[in-house]
Amino acid sequence: DTAVSQTPKYLVTQMGNDKSIKCEQNLGHDTMYWYKQDSKKFLKIMFSYNNKELIINETVPNRFSPKSPDKAHLNLHINSLELGDSAVYFCASSQVKGGNGYTFGSGTRLTVV
Amino acid sequence: TQLLEQSPQFLSIQEGENLTVYCNSSSVFSSLQWYRQEPGEGPVLLVTVVTGGEVKKLKRLTFQFGDARKDSSLHITAAQPGDTGLYLCAGAAGGFKTIFGAGTRLFVKA
Repeated sequence: DTAVSQTPKYLVTQMGNDKSIKCEQNLGHDTMYWYKQDSKKFLKIMFSYNNKELIINETVPNRFSPKSPDKAHLNLHINSLELGDSAVYFCASSQVKGGNGYTFGSGTRLTVV
Repeated sequence: TQLLEQSPQFLSIQEGENLTVYCNSSSVFSSLQWYRQEPGEGPVLLVTVVTGGEVKKLKRLTFQFGDARKDSSLHITAAQPGDTGLYLCAGAAGGFKTIFGAGTRLFVKA
């Protein structure tokens, strides 16, 4: 049973396309996150939702739009993809504010060509 | 801007050696977490420390939270090839935000 599952695992697409990454958690956690990991392995928060409500929105281009239909799902839609969007995107969840740690998905490697 | 600095960035050692990885900040954190990430996978939580001065052990791994809750260390005794991976520290800054260090890449040679 996968606790946090995200799809697809790999995504190769051309510049200018629109793509979505899906994430689901079966842990009953209240909070879900999207993180971006760059080529140097640095993890940076993008968004956080608590019970379907957006609570963190870091300095991310508005081409990135998260959507949380319910507290078990947090999807990420990206419009007009650019070369610089290439990275690994991780979904994560936590029980209340994340102070006790996150459970991460296995990542989506996005390559924009 | 809150930052977590990890050192060393890269460590290559022989099986059986001991090592320590450091995580330092000028900010105070309500808790600090350590993760291990293997290639193609997401980070996996190893431990969370909450109290200043707290020490936690996980088999051959010993984690310590600084008294002032600004720094932490991870000590591995008798490292094994299975310990190879990227070790990340992360500080909970209050609210819903957790800040990650840049990681220490450990390679243990058999």
